Formats: sequence, C-alpha cells, structure tokens
Amino acid sequence: NAGVMQNPRHLVRRRGQEARLRCSPMKGHSHVYWYRQLPEEGLKFMVYLQKENIIDESGMPKERFSAEFPKEGPSILRIQQVVRGDSAAYFCASSPTGGGYGYTFGSGTRLTVV
Amino acid sequence: KNEVEQSPQNLTAQEGEFITINCSYSVGISALHWLQQHPGGGIVSLFMLSSGKKKHGRLIATINIQEKHSSLHITASHPRDSAVYICAVRLRVSTLGRLYFGRGTQLTVWP
Repeated sequence: NAGVMQNPRHLVRRRGQEARLRCSPMKGHSHVYWYRQLPEEGLKFMVYLQKENIIDESGMPKERFSAEFPKEGPSILRIQQVVRGDSAAYFCASSPTGGGYGYTFGSGTRLTVV
Repeated sequence: KNEVEQSPQNLTAQEGEFITINCSYSVGISALHWLQQHPGGGIVSLFMLSSGKKKHGRLIATINIQEKHSSLHITASHPRDSAVYICAVRLRVSTLGRLYFGRGTQLTVWP
C-alpha cells in the first residue's frame, strides 16, 4: 500500500502558466481533501471531493482554481494563470469516510511561481 | 481569530529532555489530530483523539474536552524528533470532515 501519492513533488511555473497537481488516494479511500500551506502560515482547507463529486469548495479561490476527482484516476487540483502568490505547498489527504477514521496525508507538491 | 492556537511557536531542547506542546481550541470538536511535518517533507498523522490519552512509543497525547485543550508530550527527546508539530481539529458541527489547523510548533532538539 503506497499511501497517498502526490506528484509532482516540486513544480516550477512561470507567471501566467497553468499548474496541475495530482493526488492518488490510498486504496479504498474515496474521500479527498486538498489543503494549502502558504509560507509562514498554517494549513488551510481548499476543497473536499468524493469520486466524481465536489462536496465542499468553500476554501477555493473564486477564480483560476478548480478541482476534480474522476471515476478513474487521481484527483487533480488545477491552477490557471498562476501568480507569485500561488507559491505554496499543496497537500492532499484521503479518508475512507468523511474523516471519522482519520486521514492519510501525501508528501505535498511545492509550487514555485517565478 | 484562529479556531486552533498552539504554543509555543518555537521550542528548542537538549537531547533527552521532556517536551510539551500545547493546543487550545475555541469550538466544539469531534476529534483532535496531532501531525508531524519534517522540513520539506510530507505530513504524518501521529494521533487522533476524542477523549483521554494515547501513547505511541515516546509520544503521549492528552485531551481535556471540558477545557478545550490538548497536549503532546515527547519523552527522552532525540534530534530526530526535530520537526514541526501541528494540531488540527475536526469540528463537532457538520463541516464535512475538513480540518482546522494550528500554525504549528517548530521543535529543534540538539544533541
């Protein structure tokens, strides 16, 4: 069991490009949460997805950010037209339920916008 | 105001010392989590608590629901314990399982 797999580990994008971050949950986990960790700040919730459904996206910026969790394949967090302020570590966590049995976190993707 | 407050923000200890990190929260919770994050690394879940006390090796986590407070203790600290320790809570009211995080405590243990 490889745990929660996130890729890439590091991603460098120029301003205006698109960033795609992938998260493969643990086997048997159908709930995925994305969190963002800005420099010198705590983790903040972005979005909660189950297979093919966005359950809660109240933490997502209104523009440029989107997320999906298709029936097959990993969950994708997509950031269009990146800006320097998007530079952060993005973590995903998966759970077999809505967190009642705990969460497993991935190693994160460090996004740097230059 | 953050729902979760941790103290201290930074902590330096000598190898072998007993360490305590504190977490206070202001809302009703269904569970509290202690997490560990090494520099540039991923996040590892250490404990999930809803009451009482849990122990794993040299780590002990306690929670007092009435006082809305939890502590993480490390006995016989070691340089490999150097990391950021993060407290996170899952609220009692339905928030669909999302976690609210403290800012973390940076622990450095010197040999």
